[in-house]
Amino acid sequence: EAGVTQFPSHSVIEKGQTVTLRCDPISGHDNLYWYRRVMGKEIKFLLHFVKESKQDESGMPNNRFLAERTGGTYSTLKVQPAELEDSGVYFCASSPLSGRALGELFFGEGSRLTVL
Amino acid sequence: AQSVTQLGSHVSVSEGALVLLRCNYSSSVPPYLFWYVQYPNQGLQLLLKYTTGATLVKGINGFEAEFKKSETSFHLTKPSAHMSDAAEYFCAVEGSARQLTFGSGTQLTVLP
Repeated sequence: EAGVTQFPSHSVIEKGQTVTLRCDPISGHDNLYWYRRVMGKEIKFLLHFVKESKQDESGMPNNRFLAERTGGTYSTLKVQPAELEDSGVYFCASSPLSGRALGELFFGEGSRLTVL
Repeated sequence: AQSVTQLGSHVSVSEGALVLLRCNYSSSVPPYLFWYVQYPNQGLQLLLKYTTGATLVKGINGFEAEFKKSETSFHLTKPSAHMSDAAEYFCAVEGSARQLTFGSGTQLTVLP
């Protein structure tokens, strides 16, 4: 069974440009989360989808970030326009809707974003 | 609100020595506590978890952690380090919002 897949693994863009990160969760996982780790600091929650609906987006830093999950399958996280402080590693995680062991999220390898 | 403090961003141990990674938490609700590990070029993987019941929990690869409510701690230990244990370790707490709050991570180096 394929794990959580994220694309691209690394993106280098200039300040002001747009980047779109993609996450393919494990098939059948209705919960999808985005987390971010900036400059070796703690990993912080960004938002949570249940199927195609945003359950909690309290961690989104500002309106330059837009997350979508059309059809309840893969998700995209767009940063427009990118700023220097957006550099970091963006993690996606998924879990089943029911029967999920608490805290047991399945993480992707992360997408490293570098904004110059 | 929840928070997690991991003491020591870098820990080095010799192969065969005890591994001790420290984690302290604060939580406004009874905490669910976790340790995740990230090996190079891989995603985070659940190592072990405490939800309820026995306060000493065992995880994969010989790791264990003890929940101590009075000390608000959840330290991770392994009796004998192996070279393959070199990785970054994250302590996390899940609160009422079902979000994970992570610590800043501890990079473990195992010396031959």
